[in-house]
Amino acid sequence: GAGVSQSPSNKVTEKGKDVELRCDPISGHTALYWYRQSLGQGLEFLIYFQGNSAPDKSGLPSDRFSAERTGGSVSTLTIQRTQQEDSAVYLCASSLWESTDTQYFGPGTRLTVL
Amino acid sequence: LAKTTQPISMDSYEGQEVNITCSHNNIATNDYITWYQQFPSQGPRFIIQGYKTKVTNEVASLFIPADRKSSTLSLPRVSLSDTAVYYCLVPSSGGSDYKLSFGAGTTVTVRA
Repeated sequence: GAGVSQSPSNKVTEKGKDVELRCDPISGHTALYWYRQSLGQGLEFLIYFQGNSAPDKSGLPSDRFSAERTGGSVSTLTIQRTQQEDSAVYLCASSLWESTDTQYFGPGTRLTVL
Repeated sequence: LAKTTQPISMDSYEGQEVNITCSHNNIATNDYITWYQQFPSQGPRFIIQGYKTKVTNEVASLFIPADRKSSTLSLPRVSLSDTAVYYCLVPSSGGSDYKLSFGAGTTVTVRA
């Protein structure tokens, strides 16, 4: 079946602009995760959704970052007033039920803020 | 929150066994330990998961001692294609803290 998909695959934006990153999880997966990976670094957890609710948003780096999930499926990560330090690969993952389940990752969105 | 610690890098040669140890001193009773592999420009992919003792699949083995404060991923007879970054993940289960603690990852380089 289809895996986790993310769009766009690449996004170049100017400092100060807003961007939206989209994640389509595997059908039927109730848990969805967003991570950020800067060049040569490990994975930084951002947020976790169980259904449409986010039990923990404290991984979001600042109030410029927000995420929502509707219909228990697609999720959007929004970064407002982008800064150069936001440049990174944003990875989305989904799992069947909860955070202890195996996560399946998408290919990521590479964000470059000029 | 179970924070994880791994070696930053390891070098090996084709055909050798590679063992990567991850420390997770604050692992909770219900936490499973999962290892992921990541190639450049790709998202991580699942390798193996375990709770205690030993788990083996077609790719790797996972050894977890009785106190569960560490785990060791064992890659038998590595090949050049096993060159990747390996992460251990110990999610926090229960409570309100769902931060997922990936380690910084171990870069494994396999040479001919």
